Amino acid sequence: GQQLNQSPQSMFIQEGEDVSMNCTSSSIFNTWLWYKQDPGEGPVLLIALYKAGELTSNGRLTAQFGITRKDSFLNISASIPSDVGIYFCAGQEDDMRFGAGTRLTVKP
Amino acid sequence: GAVVSQHPSRVICKSGTSVKIECRSLDFQATTMFWYRQFPKQSLMLMATSNEGSKATYEQGVEKDKFLINHASLTLSTLTVTSAHPEDSSFYICSAPRQGRYGYTFGSGTRLTVV
Repeated sequence: GQQLNQSPQSMFIQEGEDVSMNCTSSSIFNTWLWYKQDPGEGPVLLIALYKAGELTSNGRLTAQFGITRKDSFLNISASIPSDVGIYFCAGQEDDMRFGAGTRLTVKP
Repeated sequence: GAVVSQHPSRVICKSGTSVKIECRSLDFQATTMFWYRQFPKQSLMLMATSNEGSKATYEQGVEKDKFLINHASLTLSTLTVTSAHPEDSSFYICSAPRQGRYGYTFGSGTRLTVV
């Protein structure tokens, strides 16, 4: 299926730094979601956004549903080593479309 | 709630043999389940949608005779990779829609290695 445009593809950061990643699409979605995948595991839902303009936090994670309903971003503040993994955005309308993922590496 | 259990977590098989992967919804009924394939450092690619009591819907380019899907009950979907070849080696993940909410719950994935 058609993929969302997720960037950056990878990030190498120092522990304690903030992280920002985003997703854009040519299509409108009713719901945006952010997942994290640890190596050898299935993705786990981090944040779900249901309303255009919505800003939602989950601990050190903050995500926003763009006003145009065609984009979303995820911020991670004060990164720690266990934040390492692949982060996927997903837009859901009738079905779900995934971004290509952002691979995050955190150096202690 | 909304737990999806996937087994096995990893399997090694010989070329030409078949491998079955199971995906169970533990605490809810899933009339629909999705099967994905993930190559290293790539995103999830939807292979097929499994529908309880009816035939699966396959994405373009996915061989339905190669990847047999059975969704015989409201809590179990299976993916059988038939006559496996080394190029079938990959990470396979299932998911099911979350009850009453948006988003999917994913299984923990199956690492298939065909030797």
